[in-house]
Amino acid sequence: DAGVIQSPRHEVTEMGQEVTLRCKPISGHNSLFWYRQTMMRGLELLIYFNNNVPIDDSGMPEDRFSAKMPNASFSTLKIQPSEPRDSAVYFCASSFPSETEQFFGPGTRLTVL
Amino acid sequence: DAKTTQPPSMDCAEGRAANLPCNHSTISGNEYVYWYRQIHSQGPQYIIHGLKNNETNEMASLIITEDRKSSTLILPHATLRDTAVYYCIVRVASTGFQKLVFGTGTRLLVSP
Repeated sequence: DAGVIQSPRHEVTEMGQEVTLRCKPISGHNSLFWYRQTMMRGLELLIYFNNNVPIDDSGMPEDRFSAKMPNASFSTLKIQPSEPRDSAVYFCASSFPSETEQFFGPGTRLTVL
Repeated sequence: DAKTTQPPSMDCAEGRAANLPCNHSTISGNEYVYWYRQIHSQGPQYIIHGLKNNETNEMASLIITEDRKSSTLILPHATLRDTAVYYCIVRVASTGFQKLVFGTGTRLLVSP
């Protein structure tokens, strides 16, 4: 199994641009999580999907952030417009419904200039 | 929501046991203790979890005190590759699923 796949691994963009981060969960997992990690705030849960449906998006910082899961094998996290304070490492994780263990991807390092 | 307290950093010699403590004095009776670690530039990795009994797997052992107010993660023979930030997490329930709330963790440095 390839594990959770995220793309791109690194993204550098300018303030105001749209950014789309992508995630492919482990096959068979039907729970998907998006996290953000910064030095100041640590690792934070942004949103959680179960069976492609957003269950808890209370961690999404503001309306500039949106996430979708059109099918069981793909999810996107979009930031529009991006701001320098969005610079962080964004992780995607997936799990079975019992959620004993979440499997994390390698992350996308986003830099907004 | 129960919170955890961990020392910010610890050192360990290669080949020795690493004992990482965690305090969770306000843990509820149905909350589990989870441990994850994050090696530099990688995503967090699950290690082990437990409710009240001690647990062991191929990676580590988890010792939970009888009153459940604290626990210790034990890496029996630490290697250089065990250098990482270790997170002790008490699982909280939110909207029907079990949210993981990561604190600041313990930065373990394993030296030759």
